[in-house]
Amino acid sequence: DAGVIQSPRHEVTEMGQEVTLRCKPISGHDYLFWYRQTMMRGLELLIYFNNNVPIDDSGMPEDRFSAKMPNASFSTLKIQPSEPRDSAVYFCASSLFGQGVEQYFGPGTRLTVT
Amino acid sequence: SQQGEEDPQALSIQEGENATMNCSYKTSINNLQWYRQNSGRGLVHLILIRSNEREKHSGRLRVTLDTSKKSSSLLITASRAADTASYFCATDGDKIIFGKGTRLHILP
Repeated sequence: DAGVIQSPRHEVTEMGQEVTLRCKPISGHDYLFWYRQTMMRGLELLIYFNNNVPIDDSGMPEDRFSAKMPNASFSTLKIQPSEPRDSAVYFCASSLFGQGVEQYFGPGTRLTVT
Repeated sequence: SQQGEEDPQALSIQEGENATMNCSYKTSINNLQWYRQNSGRGLVHLILIRSNEREKHSGRLRVTLDTSKKSSSLLITASRAADTASYFCATDGDKIIFGKGTRLHILP
């Protein structure tokens, strides 16, 4: 298996623009997680899905952030409109059995909002 | 507030020495995990220890868990240059929470 795939790897955009990050989990994994990593706040769980259904979105910072999982092999994280404070590395991860067991992380998307 | 807190924040040791990192947490857990992150990469799972376990080994890794003190330690024996990375503990209270990590640098 190719592992968790994320695209793009790098994104530079101007404040106010819409940003869409994409993730393909490992086939057969029922759980998908979106994280944000910054120097100040570390790695934060934003939202996670089980069988394509959002289970906990309490980590989504505000209404500008939204995530979808239309099918078992694809998820998106959208920021609209983007702000400079959204600059971070966004990781997608998947797992077989939930958040408290081994998660497989993608390579991340480095987002810079100017 | 942060569930897992690693200590120290940074650690530099000579190749061949042992490296010990600690993690403290605040609430009850089911499992505690350790992950490694190389610069510019995603996290890689190293080891999971359940709340009813006290010690676990995997290759050169040794993890201990003390639920009474709400703390865990990760020991890497006979360190190698390739062990240079950041190490994070993750705890699964209400939701999974990662600490801010220990940056380990192995000196040649």
